[in-house]
Amino acid sequence: QKEVEQNSGPLSVPEGAIASLNCTYSDRGSQSFFWYRQYSGKSPELIMFIYSNGDKEDGRFTAQLNKASQYVSLLIRDSQPSDSATYLCAVTTGGFKTIFGAGTRLFVKA
Amino acid sequence: DGGITQSPKYLFRKEGQNVTLSCEQNLNHDAMYWYRQDPGQGLRLIYYSQIVNDFQKGDIAEGYSVSREKKESFPLTVTSAQKNPTAFYLCASSIGLKNTEAFFGQGTRLTVV
Repeated sequence: QKEVEQNSGPLSVPEGAIASLNCTYSDRGSQSFFWYRQYSGKSPELIMFIYSNGDKEDGRFTAQLNKASQYVSLLIRDSQPSDSATYLCAVTTGGFKTIFGAGTRLFVKA
Repeated sequence: DGGITQSPKYLFRKEGQNVTLSCEQNLNHDAMYWYRQDPGQGLRLIYYSQIVNDFQKGDIAEGYSVSREKKESFPLTVTSAQKNPTAFYLCASSIGLKNTEAFFGQGTRLTVV
């Protein structure tokens, strides 16, 4: 079992729709959870971070964390073509290593 | 402007040659990291450092070496022992190892010729 798993996609949504990206992790002692966006050929940039169970909203983005289910998700409301990118889930484990998932490619169709 | 600078952006290496990738940060961050990314894959941790003069192996350290003589600098050497070095290398830093987000440099694309 991979430490951080994501569906590789591609996930395709129409412009204006909600995109839902999911991630599961294996280390129950994990402390911190991050979502990064990576455009092709570029470095990742932080979108959201969440430390506690529940939802955290920032503009069009909502991160959701369920530690009991070892599940973290990212919702993008009113998706725009500029949101088309690969989204990386990252988890800081109990041993203080940050592990990245393989990423989900998102396409937003105009 | 604060940030992380990686150089060079593109690097070509001949087989059997050692090369060093530079990473400098002026964010006053304690922790620094090196990741490798292969096409269509996520980031894999090579080495990380929490403080000056201390560093730890990540998941794929074989064939790589690092040093952390200054807080601002964390260079990565890709040695001839690394059999498949062609990849996109990313340096990152964070305030500490726990509960802090990482900031990335622009990356170095290494190709073996």
